[in-house]
Amino acid sequence: DAGVIQSPRHEVTEMGQEVTLRCKPISGHDYLFWYRQTMMRGLELLIYFNNNVPIDDSGMPEDRFSAKMPNASFSTLKIQPSEPRDSAVYFCASSLVGGARHTIYFGEGSWLTVV
Amino acid sequence: GESVGLHLPTLSVQEGDNSIINCAYSNSASDYFIWYKQESGKGPQFIIDIRSNMDKRQGQRVTVLLNKTVKHLSLQIAATQPGDSAVYFCAEAGGGGADGLTFGKGTHLIIQP
Repeated sequence: DAGVIQSPRHEVTEMGQEVTLRCKPISGHDYLFWYRQTMMRGLELLIYFNNNVPIDDSGMPEDRFSAKMPNASFSTLKIQPSEPRDSAVYFCASSLVGGARHTIYFGEGSWLTVV
Repeated sequence: GESVGLHLPTLSVQEGDNSIINCAYSNSASDYFIWYKQESGKGPQFIIDIRSNMDKRQGQRVTVLLNKTVKHLSLQIAATQPGDSAVYFCAEAGGGGADGLTFGKGTHLIIQP
């Protein structure tokens, strides 16, 4: 399996612009997670989906952030408008509940810089 | 609130020595713990996990120990190699549901030649 695939790997954008991050989970996984990583706060869970349905979005910082999962093989995290404090690495991850429940596999991350 | 934290931010060991990375957790409802390794520029990689009904689990060159009495988790790496240099995170999940993991801040392991 190719693993969790994220795009873009790197993005530099100007404050106020819309940013869309994309994720393809591991085929067959029924959970998808979006995490954000910064030096100050470490890895933070933003939102997660089960069978394409958002389950917990309490970690989403504010209304500027939104996430969708239109089908089992694709999810987006959108920031509109972006701000410099949104600069971070955004990780998508997926898991399959079962014998190895909670083993979450991460993508390589999308490195976002807002200037 | 509940949290997962690490005792040491940086650990430096000689190549070939054993290393121990520690983690404290405070959520007594946590029933599953995982150690992840994150190399520079990459996403966290699963290393080993342990459930709360166990106190020890071994993998290849790695051992995880769980002490529920003091809410302490450790990762032991035997015969460290240069490729072990990375940031190591402990993570916990609780409540019995398949929710997202809560991560500690991470320990940077440095292997000296």
